[in-house]
Amino acid sequence: KAGVTQTPRYLIKTRGQQVTLSCSPISGHRSVSWYQQTPGQGLQFLFEYFSETQRNKGNFPGRFSGRQFSNSRSEMNVSTLELGDSALYLCASSQGQGAGNTIYFGEGSWLTVV
Amino acid sequence: DQQVKQNSPSLSVQEGRISILNCDYTNSMFDYFLWYKKYPAEGPTFLISISSIKDKNEDGRFTVFLNKSAKHLSLHIVPSQPGDSAVYFCAASARGGSNYKLTFGKGTLLTVNP
Repeated sequence: KAGVTQTPRYLIKTRGQQVTLSCSPISGHRSVSWYQQTPGQGLQFLFEYFSETQRNKGNFPGRFSGRQFSNSRSEMNVSTLELGDSALYLCASSQGQGAGNTIYFGEGSWLTVV
Repeated sequence: DQQVKQNSPSLSVQEGRISILNCDYTNSMFDYFLWYKKYPAEGPTFLISISSIKDKNEDGRFTVFLNKSAKHLSLHIVPSQPGDSAVYFCAASARGGSNYKLTFGKGTLLTVNP
């Protein structure tokens, strides 16, 4: 069974640009969530989608957005990139929603903003 | 306000001995806890979880203990192996509702010396 797949793995963008990251969850998983990892802040929750609806959102500015498609695949977008957006962006999926459902992570997308 | 705390940023253990990683939480609504292991440049890998209705869960060399009254959990690895060297994250979530997300500690770097 394939794991959570994220693309691209590495990318470099310039300040002010926008970026779209893609995530394919484990087959059969309907919940997809996104996390940002930085050295200073650790792993922080961005948002979670279930059945194409955003169910929960973390404390990030509106420049960070996402969506989920009918096949459960998800994308996240960051507009007007800032240097501080450089981070590892992790997508995770789980079968259902709510505690008790183990979350499995992808390998992440490394974003560098220059 | 850090709701999940891993107060030891690093831990060094000799191969074959026990590794004990600790985690404290402040939110009494948390009732499902997970441990993840992370190598550099990879996504977190799920290790073991525990529900608040239990005080111990065991899986091979890994055992998680939960002390609800103290709001404390620990991960025991016995015996420790050099391949266990990684960053270990404790995570917590609250059951129920649609407000589902994982709150992570900042991680503990475990080094197992041969």
